[in-house]
Amino acid sequence: DIQVTQSPSSLSASVGDRVTITCRATQDISNSLAWYQQTPGKAPKLLLYAASRLQSGVPFRFSGSGSGTDYALTINSLQPEDFATYYCQQYYSIPYTFGQGTKLEIK
Amino acid sequence: QVQLQESGPGLVKPSETLSLTCNVSGASVSSKTYYWSWIRQPPGKGLEWIGYIYYGGSTSYNPSLKSRVTISEDSSKNQFSLQLTSVTAADTAVYYCAGLYHGHFDYWGQGTLVTASS
Repeated sequence: DIQVTQSPSSLSASVGDRVTITCRATQDISNSLAWYQQTPGKAPKLLLYAASRLQSGVPFRFSGSGSGTDYALTINSLQPEDFATYYCQQYYSIPYTFGQGTKLEIK
Repeated sequence: QVQLQESGPGLVKPSETLSLTCNVSGASVSSKTYYWSWIRQPPGKGLEWIGYIYYGGSTSYNPSLKSRVTISEDSSKNQFSLQLTSVTAADTAVYYCAGLYHGHFDYWGQGTLVTASS
């Protein structure tokens, strides 16, 4: 199985800040990476796929980058609704696997 | 817009079988567009892909659960289902159904908590 490791596991930031969350896979996943946002009590929501493609309706302050084994999610100008838990997911091979999550909290 | 809704018992006794159904609207479970999936999330923990069913009934399961999992579909009701046998407390989780498209989960149900307890 391909493991994906996110860092940090938690992060404190303020409204207006820029934050970056990283995801490292145990092998090259050729940009087969998605990012999700989950708020308490809700299902995850797809933000980006193919490492950097924004899902329809997702604000442009969210962006993705990376290649090979290393990827990043950047949120520019944090808004109050962005404080949530973020997960990466590799879909290069089955079984699909998720990172352990990064909880973004208000400072 | 594709919508999914899980249903089923919220409490299952250890050693028994967990059974959930996902009702799909806005898309057909018989189409070739989506792979219809189950994902679970233990309380306070991360996400685990369980498996999917695709056009024609082909399935793929997470090897960690494969011996206990069956995913099936009922095209007449536009539903797909999950069965997980021999449950233990470790199977307590929120179970989500989802529509998988080119590897990423585009659509999710709201999730249903299933507790394995006597």
